[in-house]
Amino acid sequence: EVQLVQSGAEVKKPGESLKISCKGSGYRFSSYWIGWVRQMPAKGLEWMGIIYPGDSDSRYSPSFQGQVTISVDKSLNTSYLQWTSLKASDTAMYYCAVAENGFHAWGQGTLVTVSS
Amino acid sequence: AIRMSQSPSSFSASTGDRVTITCRASQSISSYLAWYQQKPGRAPKLLIYAASTLQSGVPSRFSGSRSGTNFTLTIDCLQPEDFASYYCQHYYYSPFTFGGGTKVEIK
Repeated sequence: EVQLVQSGAEVKKPGESLKISCKGSGYRFSSYWIGWVRQMPAKGLEWMGIIYPGDSDSRYSPSFQGQVTISVDKSLNTSYLQWTSLKASDTAMYYCAVAENGFHAWGQGTLVTVSS
Repeated sequence: AIRMSQSPSSFSASTGDRVTITCRASQSISSYLAWYQQKPGRAPKLLIYAASTLQSGVPSRFSGSRSGTNFTLTIDCLQPEDFASYYCQHYYYSPFTFGGGTKVEIK
């Protein structure tokens, strides 16, 4: 069974850095793109970017390019989403998902709260 | 970037109704379209991919269709567990944008 397990909820202050994780199991991790999706409170889904664990090729939405970094450690079957300087507007639920004909398996989500 | 326009943004329906949600792409995406269901506090779930292919385990009352750049999700005989939000997403080329979502509420 394909499974993605994300790291736990985070509470941070503006300006702090953060790296959240997404660990895959039950499939050949290196062979499928992994994407990240933001959902702000009571809002819709926003596609942030995607990475191919096999060679770390990544693509970003223009809205998120330069704002976050998506990375992967294929030896750990884990993808990461990273911020260097959080803003209050980064408060949201973040999901990772395996991409094959859309996103066919999702993590449980990581809630990030940024507040002074 | 390709824009996905989804309508309506919300509506009320009754159990047993047949409901239709529409998604329009700003340019051709062939059939590279997926539909998702999301319930409150839960991760989205893939319902349909390639515009009309039902994901394994999804009830057959869900169906999808394509006409050019217009896509439709239909739910026949709405069940209590179908009251949720629904999103379309293209995966033609990056960025793989989502539609704005449709919330189906109980009448």
